[in-house]
Parts: sequence; structure tokens; C-alpha cells
Amino acid sequence: GQQVMQIPQYQHVQEGEDFTTYCNSSTTLSNIQWYKQRPGGHPVFLIQLVKSGEVKKQKRLTFQFGEAKKNSSLHITATQTTDVGTYFCAGIPGNQFYFGTGTSLTVIP
Amino acid sequence: GAVVSQHPSRVICKSGTSVKIECRSLDFQATTMFWYRQFPKQSLMLMATSNEGSKATYEQGVEKDKFLINHASLTLSTLTVTSAHPEDSSFYICSALGQGNVLNSPLHFGNGTRLTVT
Repeated sequence: GQQVMQIPQYQHVQEGEDFTTYCNSSTTLSNIQWYKQRPGGHPVFLIQLVKSGEVKKQKRLTFQFGEAKKNSSLHITATQTTDVGTYFCAGIPGNQFYFGTGTSLTVIP
Repeated sequence: GAVVSQHPSRVICKSGTSVKIECRSLDFQATTMFWYRQFPKQSLMLMATSNEGSKATYEQGVEKDKFLINHASLTLSTLTVTSAHPEDSSFYICSALGQGNVLNSPLHFGNGTRLTVT
């Protein structure tokens, strides 16, 4: 079945360091979305990427969609304690949303 | 806008009983709703896709007779966990897709339901 893998599973960084999570799909995706889930909360939509090779930025966050539309990355520059949470990519191969395995980010003050 | 209300937020039930979870889109019409299950520190596992007025599409390995889904209107989908057992204890979360389609719409999530079966 559909698999969307993310690495790393966990990441601890010192505040101010950069952070990157990678998302890989076993199949080509129509588009990919990124979500953030704070502990105890529900996922919150961050961004959607549609085009091959697309790069989007939101302040300190940079999102990239691979040329083959099978992988994506999220990069956070100069992490802050407010960045703590689990980041999920969601791949859309057809009409379903399949979430990646998630990367849990801990930021050490 | 795009608020999804999920109820109840927490429920504790005895083994063998059934539990109904409601998912409502408050300010938009949701033609498609997705039901996910999430275990602690794990990802969201898609259980089923619910389309208004038609039968839900279940993912492989999800028992349709155990997890009954009804999407009777454009603003309400329900998930009923029948004859619940302790292994069904989990965080269940719904999400709704607004007007448009998966190619241009984000998911709007409910706050989730923490189910504990004793």
C-alpha cells in the first residue's frame, strides 16, 4: 500500500540551530502538504506544494518538492522553542491523504 | 473559517460497548471526510474516507463492521466503534475537505477524540 516515510523520526536541536525533515513516497504524488502537530493537539496545515521542483518559504520555514514529485523537505532556519512539535508531510497520490511517519522536533533552550 | 468540531473530546467506556464520535464542519460543506487513528508518538493512520451520501472507503486492515462510518449530510460524519475492546483505545481524529478537491484544498482537522476502553 501507499507509504510515506519521513526521516528522522526524532530530532533534538539547540535553539538557534537549523532543522530539516525529509519525506519520501513510494509513488508519485499529485501534491504534498505539510502539517504541524503540537503535543496534545491536532495537525495544523502549513503549506501545499504542487509543482515539480517547487520551493516555498514561510518566514524561517522552507519547503521543497522534488523534481520527481516523490519526495519533499522542510527546513527550519534558526529554530525557536515555538517550533516544538511533530511535523508531518501528507502525500496525495489520488484522492486520499496519507500522512508520513512524522518527525518530532525538540528544541533545547 | 473552516472549523471542524469533533465530539466528544474524551470518552471512557467499558469493553463490549459501542461509542459514537461525531465530526461536524461548522462553516463549510464537507463533501469528503477522513477518519484517522493515532497511537502515542506515532503518525496518523488513515482508516477510511467518507463521502457524503455514499459508503465509506476503508483502508486495508480496517474492519468496516467494527468501525461504522456514516456521512449522512454535508456537515456531519460519524464514526461508531462497535463492541469496543481495550486494543481500540486510541486517539481518533477526523478531517474534512472543503469545497474543491484534494489538489487545491488543505485538510481541516477536528480536535480529536481520546478513547479509552476499560
